[in-house]
Amino acid sequence: AQKVTQAQTEISVVEKEDVTLDCVYETRDTTYYLFWYKQPPSGELVFLIRRNSFDEQNEISGRYSWNFQKSTSSFNFTITASQVVDSAVYFCALRSSIQGAQKLVFGQGTRLTINP
Amino acid sequence: KAGVTQTPRYLIKTRGQQVTLSCSPISGHRSVSWYQQTPGQGLQFLFEYFSETQRNKGNFPGRFSGRQFSNSRSEMNVSTLELGDSALYLCASSPGGTRRVNSGANVLTFGAGSRLTVL
Repeated sequence: AQKVTQAQTEISVVEKEDVTLDCVYETRDTTYYLFWYKQPPSGELVFLIRRNSFDEQNEISGRYSWNFQKSTSSFNFTITASQVVDSAVYFCALRSSIQGAQKLVFGQGTRLTINP
Repeated sequence: KAGVTQTPRYLIKTRGQQVTLSCSPISGHRSVSWYQQTPGQGLQFLFEYFSETQRNKGNFPGRFSGRQFSNSRSEMNVSTLELGDSALYLCASSPGGTRRVNSGANVLTFGAGSRLTVL
């Protein structure tokens, strides 16, 4: 079965703190993609990053960084020096060849609140 | 470049009625997927259409249906509405020209959703 677990339901930090959102996934497929999406109050899911199962290189993009570890089936997301505008619900998602190219399995989401 | 457009944004229906939601994908995108988001079940895949054909389907009852037109616009329909159908319905589009899961062409761009309330 394909499954994504985001154990942190809600996180609240003060602005400028670093925060890490955890994501653990399960799949028996060897070919898969992992994603992070952000959902602001307006409702649309905004794509942040994707990583395929053959690329464990971690990535940094501005204040965002991602840590993909196949050994622990984790794909964690860190925001450095958080800002109030980062407040949103963040979803981790999995797509595998078993499910089909357009079908994402989402975690339950982590509601991140950045307080001024 | 216009994004994914969903209409209506908000609607209220009563139990037993039916509803039709519309999605206009990004120009040039041929694949449209639908997702249901509820507080209890989270985000769940409904179905995907490509070139007017349903290519994949999630685990939802037959009351949920969809279609895609030749211009790639898509509609989904829910008949005999139940209270549990209250949700945010999200549409996503992608170029979709390949079913290969690793293709960058398959990154989904989501619309803002249609929020359905069933009373």
